[in-house]
Amino acid sequence: AQTVTQSQPEMSVQEAETVTLSCTYDTSENNYYLFWYKQPPSRQMILVIRQEAYKQQNATENRFSVNFQKAAKSFSLKISDSQLGDTAMYFCAFMTVNSGYALNFGKGTSLLVTP
Amino acid sequence: KAGVTQTPRYLIKTRGQQVTLSCSPISGHRSVSWYQQTPGQGLQFLFEYFSETQRNKGNFPGRFSGRQFSNSRSEMNVSTLELGDSALYLCASSSTSLYINEQFFGPGTRLTVL
Repeated sequence: AQTVTQSQPEMSVQEAETVTLSCTYDTSENNYYLFWYKQPPSRQMILVIRQEAYKQQNATENRFSVNFQKAAKSFSLKISDSQLGDTAMYFCAFMTVNSGYALNFGKGTSLLVTP
Repeated sequence: KAGVTQTPRYLIKTRGQQVTLSCSPISGHRSVSWYQQTPGQGLQFLFEYFSETQRNKGNFPGRFSGRQFSNSRSEMNVSTLELGDSALYLCASSSTSLYINEQFFGPGTRLTVL
């Protein structure tokens, strides 16, 4: 079975600080893609960052970066200089070649950024 | 470009009824996927369509069905509604047949079954 585990149901961080959201996954496939999605209270799901498993270099997108540890099957998201607008549910997801076009999501981490 | 649109945004039905949800993908996108989001089960993949053909299907009963039209718009239908079908139904579109392409999500349809 292919699973995604987000062990932190809720997290809180102060504005301008850094926070890391953890994600582990399990797959027997070697070719897959990892994603972090953000779902603000308005509920529109937005892609934050993605990582191809064959790439060793960790992906970065402005204040967002990942720590991809393929051997450990770990894919954490670091948010630097947190902003109030970062308050949202964050979902870790992956997609494998054999899963077709299906994203496999974790249960999510609710992040609250406080002033 | 307009984003993914879903109609209606909110829907209330009673057990045993059927419902049809609609999704219009971003212009030029030919792949449309559907997901069910519930507090208990989280986000689960329902099915994916590309060029009017279902390419992939999740582990849902046959009461859940879908289709895609020649203009890439998609509908999903749930027959004989059950209380457990209450959920946020999300549609996502993607531009090409390459699965690594980003999926753009719509705002969802909130279905409540009474």
